Amino acid sequence: GAVVSQHPSRVICKSGTSVKIECRSLDFQATTMFWYRQFPKQSLMLMATSNEGSKATYEQGVEKDKFLINHASLTLSTLTVTSAHPEDSSFYICSARLQGARTEAFFGQGTRLTVV
Amino acid sequence: GQQVMQIPQYQHVQEGEDFTTYCNSSTTLSNIQWYKQRPGGHPVFLIQLVKSGEVKKQKRLTFQFGEAKKNSSLHITATQTTDVGTYFCAGKITGGGNKLTFGTGTQLKVEL
Repeated sequence: GAVVSQHPSRVICKSGTSVKIECRSLDFQATTMFWYRQFPKQSLMLMATSNEGSKATYEQGVEKDKFLINHASLTLSTLTVTSAHPEDSSFYICSARLQGARTEAFFGQGTRLTVV
Repeated sequence: GQQVMQIPQYQHVQEGEDFTTYCNSSTTLSNIQWYKQRPGGHPVFLIQLVKSGEVKKQKRLTFQFGEAKKNSSLHITATQTTDVGTYFCAGKITGGGNKLTFGTGTQLKVEL
């Protein structure tokens, strides 16, 4: 199956700093990747759709200036949490889908962000 | 608000008992997918259903897609400890583009 790698798996940062999370498709090209946020024991909430070579599409209520998304190549999308605050602490997870008939999502391992 | 609901939220069973989670959407879905997320892990794709009334089986797991394409279910026969995790349905809402809307999830715990 397709492999999506997310890095780092865990990060602790100080309040006010920025954190970059990388999502890579290792064995396929992904023109579209998706970024989710998951609170403990809750569902995955779509934050934004990352489009290669163009601007990301953000879901309602997600601050685009706070969660910067860059999708500069067909295998890499990055999410930068800017000026992080404790309420940004969460599990962030990316996914990508193969082009063509297969529509299932392949997820990265997720990033546990803790802002202190 | 959340458009895809799952019940129950939690289920605690004895090993060998059956388990069912139900997924209900407020709008018609073009397809439904099911994922399993182990504690501390990431969601892993299980199956996709596309046709109205479709039923698919994977060993002890049976998946159904409702006739109206607004609900789905996952049934596990004779649960095992390896079935522990949270099961999410996820659907493409008709007219909603390429994105998946995840259900609220059902957390399954299996006791020996």
